[in-house]
Order: sequence, then C-alpha cells, then structure tokens
Amino acid sequence: EVQLVESGGGLVQPGGSLRLSCAGSGFTVSNNYRSWVRQAPGKGLEWVSGFYSAGSTYYADSVRGRFTISGDDSKNMLFLQMSSLIVEDTAVYYCASGLPPGLWGRGTLVTVSS
Amino acid sequence: QSALTQPASVSGSPGQSITISCTGSSSDVGRYNLVSWYQQHPGKAPKLMIYEVTKRPSGVSNRFSGSKSGNTASLTISGLQAEDEADYYCCSFAVSSTLVFGGGTKVTVL
Repeated sequence: EVQLVESGGGLVQPGGSLRLSCAGSGFTVSNNYRSWVRQAPGKGLEWVSGFYSAGSTYYADSVRGRFTISGDDSKNMLFLQMSSLIVEDTAVYYCASGLPPGLWGRGTLVTVSS
Repeated sequence: QSALTQPASVSGSPGQSITISCTGSSSDVGRYNLVSWYQQHPGKAPKLMIYEVTKRPSGVSNRFSGSKSGNTASLTISGLQAEDEADYYCCSFAVSSTLVFGGGTKVTVL
C-alpha cells in the first residue's frame, strides 16, 4: 500500500525542540518533491517547508531559521527538525509527496505549551 | 508569502452548481499554471481534487472542474451532493519553489 506515516509529535514547551519523521512505503519518495504542511486547530492549511534534495530546501517565512527539513532517501524518510518553538507552531503536521502534494499522511499533532 | 484569498463560505442546494474563487498575485496564481484544489472533511487529511488548474486525478468526479483567469483561479462543483460538504483549499506554486494555500472555504449543502 502506498502511504506516508508521520511520527514524533507531542507536547513541548515554548523554546523547545522536536523532530518529526515521515516514513514512505509502497513507493520511492526520493523521486518526488516532499512537503510539510501544518494545520492549527480550527484553522486552514499552511505550507511549512519543501524538499527535493539536500541542496534544494524551501521554507515559509514563518519558520525559516527555526525549522530544518531533510531526507534520508536510503530509508525513504523525510524529517522536520523544529527548534525555538512558539505557541503559534501548535498544529497537526502533515507530510505530503508530489507537486502539488497528492499523497498525504494522517498527520501528527504538535502542541507547544507551558 | 501571503495566503491566497478565498471566500469563507459558499452554500448551495443539491443539484446546483457552486464556484469558489481563489485570488493570488503575479508571484503565484498569475505566474504559474500550477494551481491545485483540495477537499478536506473533518478530521481527515486533505484530498487532491484538481491540479495544474484544470486536471483531475484519477478517481475524482467530473463534477469538479477548475479554471483560471489572471491572478484568480476558480473551482466549480456541479450537481452538488451532500458528500461534497467539506472545506476546500486552493494551493499555488509560487516564486522560490514555495507553495501557498488559500484560507479555505466551507461548502455547505443546504
């Protein structure tokens, strides 16, 4: 079955760090543009970051300098290292593949709160 | 990186047609024919309904169609059905290889 599965979400204090992972199965993720998209509670979708390869990474202004996207093609994985987290980063984080994103995971919830 | 502008809500009766607009700028919608539309039901991941302005992925009903003129793209749902009640988001490729989403439109079937 072709799918993406996110993990790594949880509760973190403001200023803290968290690393999200996304595992692809049933297809080779390295052949695709990959994204992280988030959705704050009751709010709309927000593109966070995109990745073609190590030399081709892209970020929304709201997270540039705080988040780092990376991938491990040998393991069919995508990651999002999040640091200096703020309350406004609280959201469900989706991993998605394709341009436009056509395959989505179910998401992982990140809650930033003291 | 400003969000694309969509109406907050659109409603229609079963069988009717509705259109959702999505207004961007010359840096995104107006620059690229890479506008897509997503349907999202509560608690679910978004589902791709339209890509590259007018194309439908396999399995998506032909009641869904897309168009674009200048900086504004549109999604039309014909023959509205109860199952179409959901949130809809437009998305555009933008300069610097980024993506930008619209604020979302809640579609209500009366």
